[in-house]
Amino acid sequence: QSVLTQPPSVSGAPGQRVTISCTGSSSNIGAGYDVHWYQQLPGTAPKLLIYGNSNRPSGVPDRFSGSKSGTSASLAITGLQAEDEADYYCQSYDSSLSRYVFGTGTKVTVL
Amino acid sequence: QLQLQESGPGLVKPSETLSLTCTVSGGSISSSSYYWGWIRQPPGKGLEWIGSIYYSGSTYYNPSLKSRVTISVDTSKNQFSLKLSSVTAADTAVYYCAREELRHFGYWGQGTLVTVSS
Repeated sequence: QSVLTQPPSVSGAPGQRVTISCTGSSSNIGAGYDVHWYQQLPGTAPKLLIYGNSNRPSGVPDRFSGSKSGTSASLAITGLQAEDEADYYCQSYDSSLSRYVFGTGTKVTVL
Repeated sequence: QLQLQESGPGLVKPSETLSLTCTVSGGSISSSSYYWGWIRQPPGKGLEWIGSIYYSGSTYYNPSLKSRVTISVDTSKNQFSLKLSSVTAADTAVYYCAREELRHFGYWGQGTLVTVSS
């Protein structure tokens, strides 16, 4: 049972901008712990997309951006492309549970 | 380029112990900057962190699995391993090993499906 809530799905046409929310609580995101984002293409392992709330690893296009405010975080994809169809997960640390926690996951569909 | 590769049985009987090994190549598991972790994903479901280990052997586990989990490291082979005891069908999942840094997972193995069934 995840403590980070994401919308099950979001969709957009090629070229559009979509955002994915990640809602936590005062024991994880709201406590100041960083939020990280992963992209999981069908049948593959998750890949780090954003770390430390808003930082992109080398090789990740700048179409992907992250932000954090209060007890929530967001991932934005601008200039949506067909190759962006995947599942996206947020991740943080929860001090009450004493463990890393992942979001429920969001499936992005390119129309 | 850092690579991680999981290996181990794909089928485990209920009540037995699941054992997996992660072999790290292209980098040293003894780096002081990283922990090494295990994460699993039941078919069609989300991700769950199992636990992590430092090259010195220091470990920390998901409290919900702690009583059944042991993670160990073999620096001479550049490997770390997972043992999960008393498995049930609920432990059926794709198991990933990953490199952990600053509380995130930057590099992942391809994953290995472990099915618990008699």
